[in-house]
Amino acid sequence: ETGVTQTPRHLVMGMTNKKSLKCEQHLGHNAMYWYKQSAKKPLELMFVYNFKEQTENNSVPSRFSPECPNSSHLFLHLHTLQPEDSALYLCASSQGSLLDQPQHFGDGTRLSIL
Amino acid sequence: SQQGEEDPQALSIQEGENATMNCSYKTSINNLQWYRQNSGRGLVHLILIRSNEREKHSGRLRVTLDTSKKSSSLLITASRAADTASYFCATAGGDMRFGAGTRLTVKP
Repeated sequence: ETGVTQTPRHLVMGMTNKKSLKCEQHLGHNAMYWYKQSAKKPLELMFVYNFKEQTENNSVPSRFSPECPNSSHLFLHLHTLQPEDSALYLCASSQGSLLDQPQHFGDGTRLSIL
Repeated sequence: SQQGEEDPQALSIQEGENATMNCSYKTSINNLQWYRQNSGRGLVHLILIRSNEREKHSGRLRVTLDTSKKSSSLLITASRAADTASYFCATAGGDMRFGAGTRLTVKP
């Protein structure tokens, strides 16, 4: 396996629900990331955390709220999502900057908004 | 917005043949990375090539980088059915940008 575990693998939720995605990395990396992968669109970087501190937020709507309690865990809290938010959400980690080091990805959470 | 653009969008070959995928980008970069994604899985890092490098090898993979043309290519030699996947280039400059990918199908 990749050393990055995401749960749940699949999630179906209504637009008024609140849910959270979880990511855990066992690689000792100091940086973690959330990506959104929609059909026929390039991978979109959403959030970057380095040593638990958020260093990047790429104009992501506030209905997505990240949390990084430590360097091994990353959450994405979801509330009042829209149908266009249906996508595969991927978590990744790296040792050092994502601009300089390869990233290790989890297998993602497939999110469907009803 | 998208930085790397892969070409072709889809490629279908027979097992044993070579597969070449290309990536073009628009701004200066620190490095360029290639990733593979099998259906329903996350991305797997293949090769990172820095802006001062021209070619890199890893097993059956060969990556070239031409910064003057702002392009890179990924060559998979002696392809196998297990190489069937989507391949993405990612450029690292001021930020990290992925292309839309090339869908490779290797027929047994």
